[in-house]
Amino acid sequence: EADIYQTPRYLVIGTGKKITLECSQTMGHDKMYWYQQDPGMELHLIHYSYGVNSTEKGDLSSESTVSRIRTEHFPLTLESARPSHTSQYLCASSENKVGGKRTNEQFFGPGTRLTVL
Amino acid sequence: KNQVEQSPQSLIILEGKNCTLQCNYTVSPFSNLRWYKQDTGRGPVSLTIMTFSENTKSNGRYTATLDADTKQSSLHITASQLSDSASYICVVSDRGSTLGRLYFGRGTQLTVWP
Repeated sequence: EADIYQTPRYLVIGTGKKITLECSQTMGHDKMYWYQQDPGMELHLIHYSYGVNSTEKGDLSSESTVSRIRTEHFPLTLESARPSHTSQYLCASSENKVGGKRTNEQFFGPGTRLTVL
Repeated sequence: KNQVEQSPQSLIILEGKNCTLQCNYTVSPFSNLRWYKQDTGRGPVSLTIMTFSENTKSNGRYTATLDADTKQSSLHITASQLSDSASYICVVSDRGSTLGRLYFGRGTQLTVWP
């Protein structure tokens, strides 16, 4: 099992609240990612990071923001949550090499199920 | 447009039976193809990963095949167990970017009944 953690696992909040979803990995991976997934749908990349002080927006437009101050930590923040933000948020990290072979295999955390009322 | 299509969308089988899930992709240039298992409410867990030169790979009761010419892959599950009930996601990586962008299918929802 991958050493990547997300908290909280479930969160129910009211509209307008500010929230931060936590993601930490202990594998020393440089690359980290945030995905959004709705039921029965594919994962959509919303943010990624190549390393400390690097953050980029993904394919799916998102009102959330991320930061990468430490290698192991990649939190996602919503300044003012809305019902349209209700979804599952998955964090992942990747290694570049496996025995010298570049695989970019991504390891996923357990996810945070967010519900905004 | 880079896409990954999976079929069937959902599948119900009896415990002990075999099944095969399909994946077609249009991702180019191709780097590798992975199959992930995602239990309800959990993150995906990698089952197999195959590069261009590999056409089959096994992981216990899971066997994945890849035909890079027709851009098709399959995941065969042998002697299914109740714990195999999950969503199986086909993911294709391109080698056109340093990020190694992943393209996800919507998954096949497998239910195994006793």
